Amino acid sequence: NAGVMQNPRHLVRRRGQEARLRCSPMKGHSHVYWYRQLPEEGLKFMVYLQKENIIDESGMPKERFSAEFPKEGPSILRIQQVVRGDSAAYFCASSPLMADNSPLHFGNGTRLTVT
Amino acid sequence: AQTVTQSQPEMSVQEAETVTLSCTYDTSESDYYLFWYKQPPSRQMILVIRQEAYKQQNATENRFSVNFQKAAKSFSLKISDSQLGDAAMYFCAYRGNRDDKIIFGKGTRLHILP
Repeated sequence: NAGVMQNPRHLVRRRGQEARLRCSPMKGHSHVYWYRQLPEEGLKFMVYLQKENIIDESGMPKERFSAEFPKEGPSILRIQQVVRGDSAAYFCASSPLMADNSPLHFGNGTRLTVT
Repeated sequence: AQTVTQSQPEMSVQEAETVTLSCTYDTSESDYYLFWYKQPPSRQMILVIRQEAYKQQNATENRFSVNFQKAAKSFSLKISDSQLGDAAMYFCAYRGNRDDKIIFGKGTRLHILP
């Protein structure tokens, strides 16, 4: 039973380019969360999605960032026109439909470096 | 808004000794869940232990136990018989009963001294 799969593990982009981060949740999980971790910081919530729906995007920057979780395929976190401040580790997590006290299952993260 | 505070950025403990990591949180909800996650250098987030607020009994997982003080909104993690593999960042986390997202503290880096 594969865990949460994120790719790529490392991503380097030049300023102004686009970054696309992918996340496949655990089998049977229909909730996906994206978190950002700056160096020596905790995880900051960005967005929570279910299939084809954004449930809570209160942590997403208003510009350049978008997320989707299509009916088929992985969830995508997209950052347009990246800047140096976007450099961070981006974690995806998933949980089953009946979330109650279920913990989040995390992927190993994508480390984005903007040069 | 809910917040989670970890007041110890770093801690050290001698191997085989016991260490306690502190966590406090702020919420107006009466029903919620609390978690401790471990993040080793590999960056993977690993669930260590969880506690439901409606349960008075403190959760225990092998060498890991919590001291949950609901009135004080405190949720400390005790690690007994510390091992070198326990060295990691430890994050305290909160999840409300009506909210699906988990809120994390800034973490405590734990060093194990051989």
